[in-house]
Order: sequence, then C-alpha cells, then structure tokens
Amino acid sequence: DAKTTQPPSMDCAEGRAANLPCNHSTISGNEYVYWYRQIHSQGPQYIIHGLKNNETNEMASLIITEDRKSSTLILPHATLRDTAVYYCIVRGDTGTASKLTFGTGTRLQVTL
Amino acid sequence: ETGVTQSPTHLIKTRGQQVTLRCSSQSGHNTVSWYQQALGQGPQFIFQYYREEENGRGNFPPRFSGLQFPNYSSELNVNALELDDSALYLCASSSPRTGWSSPLHFGNGTRLTVT
Repeated sequence: DAKTTQPPSMDCAEGRAANLPCNHSTISGNEYVYWYRQIHSQGPQYIIHGLKNNETNEMASLIITEDRKSSTLILPHATLRDTAVYYCIVRGDTGTASKLTFGTGTRLQVTL
Repeated sequence: ETGVTQSPTHLIKTRGQQVTLRCSSQSGHNTVSWYQQALGQGPQFIFQYYREEENGRGNFPPRFSGLQFPNYSSELNVNALELDDSALYLCASSSPRTGWSSPLHFGNGTRLTVT
C-alpha cells in the first residue's frame, strides 16, 4: 500500500470548516483513500473513503485531486467533539483485506 | 445494529504470563482482524481471520495467535508476555461480502499493561 504524509497537528475554531490534507503521491490506480479518526481512549472510527471521485456523507467530505496524489478531508462545521487524531490510509487489494497501514496521523484540536 | 465489542477493557499481567483477549464482531461481519497500538503510535496489523482460519499476518512473532469461532467472534492469545507487549489491542470486523474495499469497524480495545 502506498505511503501517506500528513501534518502532525492542526487547529480549528469551533463552527469553522476543518480541512485536513494528505499526500499519497505513490498511490496506484486501484487503491482507495480511507479516513479514520481516533478520539482519546477509543478505537479508530471510520469516516469516509473514495477511489477517484469526491465523496460526501453525514460526517465529512473527501476531495481527491484529479491526479490522485493528494486528498483533503473536510469537516464542514467542526465541533469540540471532533478533536481527535485523523488518519489518512491508502488501501489496495493485497489479498489481506483487513490490513490497514496507519501512520501517525494529524492531531486536530478544535477550540472555542 | 451492534458494533464491535471487546473484553476486558483493561488488564494487568506479569512478564512471562499468557493473556487472552476477546472480541465480538459487528452483526453480519465475517472477517475479524487484530491490531496493536503502542502509546503515541498508530495501530499495527497483527493478523486477520476469515472462516475460522488465519489468512493474513503482520510482522508479529508466533507467540501472538488467535482463534475465530463459528459465530465470527474471535480471541487473541499472547504467550510469554514481554514488557513491550503493553499496548492497546484493537479488534476490527468487516464484511468482504460487499467487496474487499468495505470499511473496517473497530472496537474500543483492551488496554494491556505488562509489569
């Protein structure tokens, strides 16, 4: 699976949009981009995933560049409960479907 | 819909002992995987179980072993515990019936402390 690069930390004011970038310049054509977050002392929570089209669900939006070398997770109206570590993961069909390679993620701090 | 549940939530063991951690997968999910998360790091893949057999393993020694039961629940066993085994152990389930790209859903983990 391709390697990802994320900033170690970001701040966001409550009510504003949080835009979390991820670089995955070596991504292959059949690899998906996944986003998970981990709130302190809990397990990782699935947020969203996509292949090449932009995706939106009730939690967030995922914007993938046309060359697929980077993506941005958007939390449209961040709240204090969105404070967490956000992981960007590239996942391909390696034959081990459950293997996700986590990096160190981005620690998002939402403030009043 | 019941999510992934793990037990116990916390556990303290002594070096050299053996430990068993348990996981109930999300309803309808037939694939279970286990991850180890050391303090300050991202989770690392240990292994995956499908149809009661291990069919994928990360870079962990054989003293890490597992089981999957017909109801898709699972156990993680660690023998000869070492101090470095202290970590949060996470269980995840998924349903590849919807394709290999279906998301994994994680439990809240078991915090293991080895003294």
